[in-house]
Amino acid sequence: DAGITQSPRHKVTETGTPVTLRCHQTENHRYMYWYRQDPGHGLRLIHYSYGVKDTDKGEVSDGYSVSRSKTEDFLLTLESATSSQTSVYFCAISEINGLRGEAFFGQGTRLTVV
Amino acid sequence: QKEVEQNSGPLSVPEGAIASLNCTYSDRVSQSFFWYRQYSGKSPELIMSIYSNGDKEDGRFTAQLNKASQYVSLLIRDSQPSDSATYLCAVNSPGGGNKLTFGTGTQLKVEL
Repeated sequence: DAGITQSPRHKVTETGTPVTLRCHQTENHRYMYWYRQDPGHGLRLIHYSYGVKDTDKGEVSDGYSVSRSKTEDFLLTLESATSSQTSVYFCAISEINGLRGEAFFGQGTRLTVV
Repeated sequence: QKEVEQNSGPLSVPEGAIASLNCTYSDRVSQSFFWYRQYSGKSPELIMSIYSNGDKEDGRFTAQLNKASQYVSLLIRDSQPSDSATYLCAVNSPGGGNKLTFGTGTQLKVEL
């Protein structure tokens, strides 16, 4: 298994509170991603990183921010959690070698906003 | 318009049969294609990748790619109950960042 660890694995938080999810990798991969998975929508990209301090938005970035100060860590922050952000969050990593660019996923974080 | 389309299923096949899962994508410049398996409550697991037209076989799995038709498929031979899961098709998005766009997945049920 790819060395990807997400923390926490489960979290319940109240509406309006800030929340930070952490993704840690031991593979030294350049690319890191945050996805959310919801019934009927599949996996949707929130933000991604292509290097230390290099990040960009995905298709559902509103209400989320990210930071990557080290190759191994990618943080996702919900500035003020809302019930619509209740979801399962997955971190993924990838590296590019020619055309190859498989992504590998962490175990996921189940976030409930009440 | 959804960029990656899959039938949501469920697709039910008897044990030992061939399961055929299909995926279409909208962007012609996509170059890399992946199949992930996801068990309920678990994270997606990569099972196949394909980059050129034709077939690619790995054990009981065969991925098929037809770029002209913008079509990717996954065949699972000798289906087992342990193959029961949701199968996600993913396509590399153009524009850098090696971003993957996922379909919503097809639920496969292998019946005894």
